[in-house]
Amino acid sequence: GQSLEQPSEVTAVEGAIVQINCTYQTSGFYGLSWYQQHDGGAPTFLSYNALDGLEETGRFSSFLSRSDSYGYLLLQELQMKDSASYFCAVRDMGVGDDKIIFGKGTRLHILP
Amino acid sequence: DADVTQTPRNRITKTGKRIMLECSQTKGHDRMYWYRQDPGLGLRLIYYSFDVKDINKGEISDGYSVSRQAQAKFSLSLESAIPNQTALYFCATSDRDGGNQPQHFGDGTRLSIL
Repeated sequence: GQSLEQPSEVTAVEGAIVQINCTYQTSGFYGLSWYQQHDGGAPTFLSYNALDGLEETGRFSSFLSRSDSYGYLLLQELQMKDSASYFCAVRDMGVGDDKIIFGKGTRLHILP
Repeated sequence: DADVTQTPRNRITKTGKRIMLECSQTKGHDRMYWYRQDPGLGLRLIYYSFDVKDINKGEISDGYSVSRQAQAKFSLSLESAIPNQTALYFCATSDRDGGNQPQHFGDGTRLSIL
């Protein structure tokens, strides 16, 4: 089966850097995605890593290590508007199957 | 106008009723998805479709059915609603180059079954 583990909550200070980790277990791993969701809003796609390494998009970076079944989302220069839930998701491909499985999400609290 | 539109936005209904949730998109994407979100459980995939009339089961398809009669529309039905189907439902789309991860979400439908 598939499973994803990420912390339920993380707290950081405005202007600081925070890292949200995600470990996964899946039989047909094909990539790791990250999504942001503000309270009452729809998820927003942030990034996708299919290969090992770091992908940077502005203040957000995402990292993947396939050998460790591990990835993280790095948020720099935190702003109050970054307070949200962040979900990692794996693309799981098998015979005749191709779907995205989400983790339970990490609630990020930002203190002024 | 929103790229992915879900109707209705809110619905309260009784156990045993048939309910249809509609999703339409103007992105021109081939792939569409229905997810369910419950507090503390994240998003769970109900059904997905790669093209018109293509239907695939997700993690939690029991009690649900879908229809994809046109590229722009993907509807989700609850044939006989039960209270544990009370949740927030999201429709999403992705293009063929998107690695099959949902890229654009609708604003969600909050469904309550009494």
